[in-house]
Amino acid sequence: DGGITQSPKYLFRKEGQNVTLSCEQNLNHDAMYWYRQDPGQGLRLIYYSQIVNDFQKGDIAEGYSVSREKKESFPLTVTSAQKNPTAFYLCASSIGGAPDTQYFGPGTRLTVL
Amino acid sequence: GESVGLHLPTLSVQEGDNSIINCAYSNSASDYFIWYKQESGKGPQFIIDIRSNMDKRQGQRVTVLLNKTVKHLSLQIAATQPGDSAVYFCAENGGGGGADGLTFGKGTHLIIQP
Repeated sequence: DGGITQSPKYLFRKEGQNVTLSCEQNLNHDAMYWYRQDPGQGLRLIYYSQIVNDFQKGDIAEGYSVSREKKESFPLTVTSAQKNPTAFYLCASSIGGAPDTQYFGPGTRLTVL
Repeated sequence: GESVGLHLPTLSVQEGDNSIINCAYSNSASDYFIWYKQESGKGPQFIIDIRSNMDKRQGQRVTVLLNKTVKHLSLQIAATQPGDSAVYFCAENGGGGGADGLTFGKGTHLIIQP
C-alpha cells in the first residue's frame, strides 16, 4: 500500500530530552513537510524539504531540527530548546511544483511530562 | 498579512440534510484551493480541490464552489451521514508555487445529529 506513515502514534517525553518523530512515504514524492497542530488553531509549518539533502525553515522552526538524507524519510527532532512541545505533529508529502496537493500521515501526539 | 479562515467554528446538521461549510481567503494571488477532512486524532484527508480558473467542481457527494470576486470558497456535502462528522478546513497555495507549503484555515467542526 502506498502512503505516509508516522511513528509512534503516541510519544511521551520528559522535560529536557530530545525526541525524534519518524515520517516515511512510499509515494515517490519529492517534497515533505512537518506541521504542528494545537487545539483551536490551524496547522503551522515547522520545516519543509523540496528535495533530498535540502530543507527550509517554516514559520515556527525554533526548537526543532530535521534531516532529509533519503527521499522517503523526513524525521523531525524536537529538542529541549522547544519551550512548548506538547502538540499533535503532522507530516505531509507532495509531488512538488505548482499547484501542489499535500497528503498527510496519521500524526504523532507528543506529550511532555 | 494574508490569511485563510472560516466563518463558523461549529456547524450542526441533521443526518440526511445538506451541509455547507464556508471559507474566506484574502490572498488574491491564490490559484489553488483544497478542502481537507480531519477526524479526531487522525491526520487530515484530502477531499477535493479546485483551481482558480474554475468556479465549481464536483466529487462524490461533495461540491466545491469558488467565488473569486468575493474571495470565498465553500464545501457542500450532500445527504450528510454520521461518518461526515469531522473538522473540515480549507487550504490555499498563495500563488507562490507551493515553495513553502499551504496556508490552512482553523477549521469548522461539523456535527451530524441523528
